[in-house]
Amino acid sequence: QVQLEQSGAEVKKPGASVKVSCKTSGYPFPSYDINWVRQDTGQGLEWMGWMNPNSGETGYVKKFQGRVTMTRNMSTSTAYMELRSLKFEDTAVYYCARYNGNFWDFDFWGQGTLVTVSS
Amino acid sequence: QSVLTQPPSVSGAPGQRVIISCAGSSSNIGAGYDVHWYQQLPGTAPKLLIYGNNNRPSGVPDRFSGSKSGTSAFLAISGLRAEDEADYHCQSYDRRLSGSVFGGGTKLTVL
Repeated sequence: QVQLEQSGAEVKKPGASVKVSCKTSGYPFPSYDINWVRQDTGQGLEWMGWMNPNSGETGYVKKFQGRVTMTRNMSTSTAYMELRSLKFEDTAVYYCARYNGNFWDFDFWGQGTLVTVSS
Repeated sequence: QSVLTQPPSVSGAPGQRVIISCAGSSSNIGAGYDVHWYQQLPGTAPKLLIYGNNNRPSGVPDRFSGSKSGTSAFLAISGLRAEDEADYHCQSYDRRLSGSVFGGGTKLTVL
């Protein structure tokens, strides 16, 4: 079965960087884009960008450009999202999600990674 | 401020039918892009509930249905059950932003 397993919670200081991993299984990793979505505590979902595992091509929301990098490791079928220059308002749960290119929806999600930015 | 607009909360008694709206614009829902719905139970990740406006993934009960009209989409839940209490999020594509957009989420309370 399709699974996306994310790394554990992180606590970071303002200005630091965080790198969240998303290990996939149960499907051919190169065949589906991985997207990243974040959620403030109790708030709505915010789309951050996408990565094509096959080509490594990426696309980021303008708000995060210059601070985010999405990468992958083909040998372990793992996607990564690094966010730099962290601010207090980056405190959120970060999700990876598999993108279904047929309907443009997110058909499977990781369990989420809480990133807390605190001094 | 979310691109798609949902009511913050809705409620209904067990057995009743509720409808959650998702209002967009001419650059997303009104441009013909599909709408998808996600159910997020407390403390868990979102789960795909409806895709392509009105399709249910395997395992989703037919009590859940979706529709789209003009610049809005709707999620209907009939025969409400206590386990339906969750947050519901709509999602589409926006051509002006060249990416996915979400609604702010709607909290469903089963009275």
